[in-house]
Amino acid sequence: DAGVIQSPRHEVTEMGQEVTLRCKPISGHDYLFWYRQTMMRGLELLIYFNNNVPIDDSGMPEDRFSAKMPNASFSTLKIQPSEPRDSAVYFCASSLVGRGRSPLHFGNGTRLTVT
Amino acid sequence: DAKTTQPPSMDCAEGRAANLPCNHSTISGNEYVYWYRQIHSQGPQYIIHGLKNNETNEMASLIITEDRKSSTLILPHATLRDTAVYYCIVISNTGNQFYFGTGTSLTVIP
Repeated sequence: DAGVIQSPRHEVTEMGQEVTLRCKPISGHDYLFWYRQTMMRGLELLIYFNNNVPIDDSGMPEDRFSAKMPNASFSTLKIQPSEPRDSAVYFCASSLVGRGRSPLHFGNGTRLTVT
Repeated sequence: DAKTTQPPSMDCAEGRAANLPCNHSTISGNEYVYWYRQIHSQGPQYIIHGLKNNETNEMASLIITEDRKSSTLILPHATLRDTAVYYCIVISNTGNQFYFGTGTSLTVIP
């Protein structure tokens, strides 16, 4: 099992540019989560999907952020336009079942720097 | 979901057992206790979880008090590679939001 795969590992972009982060969950997992981590705010849940459907996006900071899951093996998190305060490490995680019955498995993250 | 309280930092001598405490005094009957750790620049790594009973796996042991208001993660023989931030999380079987607090920064000393 390759685990959760995220790409790219590092992204440096200029303010105003569009950024797309990608995630491939573990095969067979029904839940997918996007987190953001900063020194100031720690790990924050942005959005999660169940069977490709967004369930809770209350953590998405603003309309500049959007997430999609077109199929069970792929999800994207898009920021348009990007701003320096979006600089953070973005993690994707998946779990087999929900409701606390199985753990989240995290990818190694995408470190985003917006200049 | 119940709030958890952990000490901000701890030290442990290499080869000794590391005992990391977590208070979750408002936990309810259907809430699981999860432990994760995060080594610098990596994604959080699942360690262990439990509901009521003590649990053990190849990485660690989880001891949950009888009233379930606190738990202890035990790393039986700490190594330098166990230096990380350890997060204790409580999540109900009706929720899916794993909330990570500030955790305990464990330093294993040679």
